[in-house]
Amino acid sequence: AQSVTQLDSHVSVSEGTPVLLRCNYSSSYSPSLFWYVQHPNKGLQLLLKYTSAATLVKGINGFEAEFKKSETSFHLTKPSAHMSDAAEYFCVVTSGTYKYIFGTGTRLKVLA
Amino acid sequence: EPEVTQTPSHQVTQMGQEVILRCVPISNHLYFYWYRQILGQKVEFLVSFYNNEISEKSEIFDDQFSVERPDGSNFTLKIRSTKLEDSAMYFCASRDPGQGGEQFFGPGTRLTVL
Repeated sequence: AQSVTQLDSHVSVSEGTPVLLRCNYSSSYSPSLFWYVQHPNKGLQLLLKYTSAATLVKGINGFEAEFKKSETSFHLTKPSAHMSDAAEYFCVVTSGTYKYIFGTGTRLKVLA
Repeated sequence: EPEVTQTPSHQVTQMGQEVILRCVPISNHLYFYWYRQILGQKVEFLVSFYNNEISEKSEIFDDQFSVERPDGSNFTLKIRSTKLEDSAMYFCASRDPGQGGEQFFGPGTRLTVL
């Protein structure tokens, strides 16, 4: 069965410093992986996706993630945090039937 | 750019009442989904729908829930007799099989059961 673990429920960074949000997955086959962002009282916005092409995936707003099969990880990074990045971030793995399996989320706080 | 829409944005109902949440998926998509997110918790899969029938459902999706595609554009989630614990944000999503599994989400309907 597929599952995803987000290792940090809360992350705080200072504006202008790097962001690292960690995600580990479990899958019995080659998965598709996604990162979504949810701003307060808003819907889910796709940041980036991995679907078995390049292992380093670039997304919107300067975010990127690297698929590491040997570590079963798909960590989200950004070189320099902006105040507008403060939000909840969800790592998602697809099942064999393509339903989404969400992680528990990481709340990113950006300090001025 | 095509998008998934959902109505209403917020629904308040009394416990025991029936509610219908509406979604208009992207027009050429073939797979449709409902998810829910209880306040402060993660997003959970409820049901997937393809070719006018349920293809998969979670244990949350009990007999109180049903889905329907009544015409060529709408996709609805009905809760027959709402309970307090049904209070959540409900997201609809749709997928084009040619886009690598990516689902496109609507903005959500916040359901409050009093």
